[in-house]
Amino acid sequence: GDSVTQMEGPVTLSEEAFLTINCTYTATGYPSLFWYVQYPGEGLQLLLKATKADDKGSNKGFEATYRKETTSFHLEKGSVQVSDSAVYFCALSTGGGNKLTFGTGTQLKVEL
Amino acid sequence: EAGVAQSPRYKIIEKRQSVAFWCNPISGHATLYWYQQILGQGPKLLIQFQNNGVVDDSQLPKDRFSAERLKGVDSTLKIQPAKLEDSAVYLCASSLSGSRDNEQFFGPGTRLTVL
Repeated sequence: GDSVTQMEGPVTLSEEAFLTINCTYTATGYPSLFWYVQYPGEGLQLLLKATKADDKGSNKGFEATYRKETTSFHLEKGSVQVSDSAVYFCALSTGGGNKLTFGTGTQLKVEL
Repeated sequence: EAGVAQSPRYKIIEKRQSVAFWCNPISGHATLYWYQQILGQGPKLLIQFQNNGVVDDSQLPKDRFSAERLKGVDSTLKIQPAKLEDSAVYLCASSLSGSRDNEQFFGPGTRLTVL
């Protein structure tokens, strides 16, 4: 079945550091890929997505590129801020429906 | 625009008791989802509705879990009887349609503790 594997956390960085959170997937067919973010005390919200190979999703300074050859969708940001502290979930959907399969989440802590 | 509303936010029950969660999706959203998020895991889809019909309930433990969306708007998820392993956050989400890549908007969740 479909699955998503992402790096375990917590990841602790200093402000302005470079961020990478790794995500790899296993799926039948051609999935769409997503990053969701959950800020403390809030619901999950879509951060970015990519629907086909080599697409780059971007939002709020975050980027991720859909790499079919390595089945990966790593999340990156050049300079993190304290306000980026949250839990980040990688997810995919396949087929014609809109069912999401999530990874286990990676907690990011950014310190001054 | 109001987001997805869920209640209660927290619930503590004894095992073998029953519990119900309520969700009100974003106005106009035809598709509604219930996810279960166990601590340390990602959300897992329990059931997906398109209007008031079930699209996918393949991962819903039907011996104890039930859900309905009678008028195609708000929805209720029930557990009866609850087990210890049902302790989790129950997330409701909605989207304009059930077509692939339609953005899902999540509510704040209901944290259930079963003692």
